[in-house]
Parts: sequence; C-alpha cells; structure tokens
Amino acid sequence: GDSVTQMEGPVTLSEEAFLTINCTYTATGYPSLFWYVQYPGEGLQLLLKATKADDKGSNKGFEATYRKETTSFHLEKGSVQVSDSAVYFCALSPIRGAQKLVFGQGTRLTINP
Amino acid sequence: SAVISQKPSRDICQRGTSLTIQCQVDSQVTMMFWYRQQPGQSLTLIATANQGSEATYESGFVIDKFPISRPNLTFSTLTVSNMSPEDSSIYLCSVEEDRGYEQYFGPGTRLTVT
Repeated sequence: GDSVTQMEGPVTLSEEAFLTINCTYTATGYPSLFWYVQYPGEGLQLLLKATKADDKGSNKGFEATYRKETTSFHLEKGSVQVSDSAVYFCALSPIRGAQKLVFGQGTRLTINP
Repeated sequence: SAVISQKPSRDICQRGTSLTIQCQVDSQVTMMFWYRQQPGQSLTLIATANQGSEATYESGFVIDKFPISRPNLTFSTLTVSNMSPEDSSIYLCSVEEDRGYEQYFGPGTRLTVT
C-alpha cells in the first residue's frame, strides 16, 4: 500500500542553519505530495504542496521538489528561525481529488537561538 | 481556505462513556474526513464522511465504535463510544475544498480517557 517515510527526529538546529527534512514515498500512480506543520499547541496547517513530477512547492521560505525518479519530497529552508520550531509531516494523496491523506511519522524540529 | 472549528477543544472522560465531537465548516464542502493522532504519533484516517451517504471506514475502525453523522455540507460529528484509555488521542476533522485537492484541518479535540 501507499506509505510515507520521514527522516527520524527530533532535529535540533541553531538559528540561521540550513534545514533538510527527508521524505520518501511509495505509491502506485502519481500522488500529490504535501508538507504539513503543527506548531506547539496548534492544529495542522498546510505548508506547501506539489501535484506532479518536478513541481516545486514553496511557502514561508520552505521549499520541496517532487522527484519522481527518487520518489522523494525533501523539505528545505536556507535559514531557519526559532519560530520554525514545530512538528513537520510529509503526506501524500494517492490520486488527485477527494482521497485520504497518508502521513509520515512526523519530524520534531527545534531551533535554538 | 475553509475555516474549520471543532467542539469541544478538549475533554476528560471516564472509561465506558461516549463523547460526540462536532466539526463545523464555514463553507459547503463535499468531503469531510476524521483523523486520529495518538500521543506522539502521526495521523491516521478513521473515516471519510460524505453528505447523504454512510461514512466509509478505514481498516481497523468500525461504525459501532466511531459512528459518524453528516447531516449537511457544513457539519459533521464523530462519536467515540464506550471509551477506554487507549482512545486517548487528538481527533481532527478535515475538509477537501471542492475547487482543489488540498485538505484543511480543524484545531483538533484532545480527548483523555481515565
């Protein structure tokens, strides 16, 4: 079945460091890919998405590129801030439209000043 | 994006009782979903709720334990029945807006069963 594997956490970085959180997936067909973020005490928010191969999703300085050849969707940010501390979830939707999301296990990120 | 609210935001319940969680959306949507997030874990889909039809449950979840209602295009309820401590989780509803394929989540209901 469809699945998402994320880089194990927790991840701790200093402010202004470069961030990569790895995400790989297994799916039949051509899924849509998402990154969600859960800030402390808050609900789940959509951070960015990509719906086809080579698409790059971006938001708030975060980027991720849909790589079909490596079945990956790694999250990157060039310079993290303390306010980026949160849990990040990679997810896929097996086909476009009205389908359940399959989530990775989540990666807890802590940024120290 | 849709604005989603849930009630209650949190509750502490006794073993053997039931709790109904409400999910309200500020726009009409066809698809609503209920997820469970157990402590320190990822999200798992419980069921998909379409207006006017029976909910579709994922493997490992049954209607007797998690009955769902979907009376209109802006509202749904999830009941957690005959609760045990293993049901302690955050329960989230989400919607897929009809114009796209992104899902948006409510703030969640944090349930503790003692």
